[in-house]
Amino acid sequence: DAGVIQSPRHEVTEMGQEVTLRCKPISGHDYLFWYRQTMMRGLELLIYFNNNVPIDDSGMPEDRFSAKMPNASFSTLKIQPSEPRDSAVYFCASSLGTALELFFGEGSRLTVL
Amino acid sequence: KNEVEQSPQNLTAQEGEFITINCSYSVGISALHWLQQHPGGGIVSLFMLSSGKKKHGRLIATINIQEKHSSLHITASHPRDSAVYICAVRSGKETSGSRLTFGEGTQLTVNP
Repeated sequence: DAGVIQSPRHEVTEMGQEVTLRCKPISGHDYLFWYRQTMMRGLELLIYFNNNVPIDDSGMPEDRFSAKMPNASFSTLKIQPSEPRDSAVYFCASSLGTALELFFGEGSRLTVL
Repeated sequence: KNEVEQSPQNLTAQEGEFITINCSYSVGISALHWLQQHPGGGIVSLFMLSSGKKKHGRLIATINIQEKHSSLHITASHPRDSAVYICAVRSGKETSGSRLTFGEGTQLTVNP
């Protein structure tokens, strides 16, 4: 298996632009997580899905952030409009059940100018 | 006080040394993860444990549920072990679901 695949790996955009980050989980995994990592706050959970259904989105910072999982093999995290403080590395991870190992993607490094 | 605290924050060792990284947590947990993040940024899950001890190659992870403490040991350390090691816990509360709380990480540098 190719592992968790994220795109883009790097994104540089200007304040106010829409940003869409994409994630393909490992086939067969039923949990998908979006995390954000910054120097100031470390790793934080933004939202997670179980069987394509959002379960906990309490970590989503503002209404500018939204996430979808239209099917078992694809999820998006959208920021609209983007702000400089959204600059971070965004990780997607998946697992089979909650009691099992997490597999992370390589991350999407976002820079908002 | 953070729910998950790691020590030390930074650790420098010579190749071959035995290394210990500690993680203390203040909540009841259902599982604890040790993650490794290399300079390139990718994160790899090393261990997930809820009791006892696990070993994989030169890495050993232990957990003491009563003391709310876990340790990650690296035997015969090598420069390629240089990375940030992150402890993360899943609360034992039903309402917490699969939410993980992360420690701030330990930056390990192993010199040749």
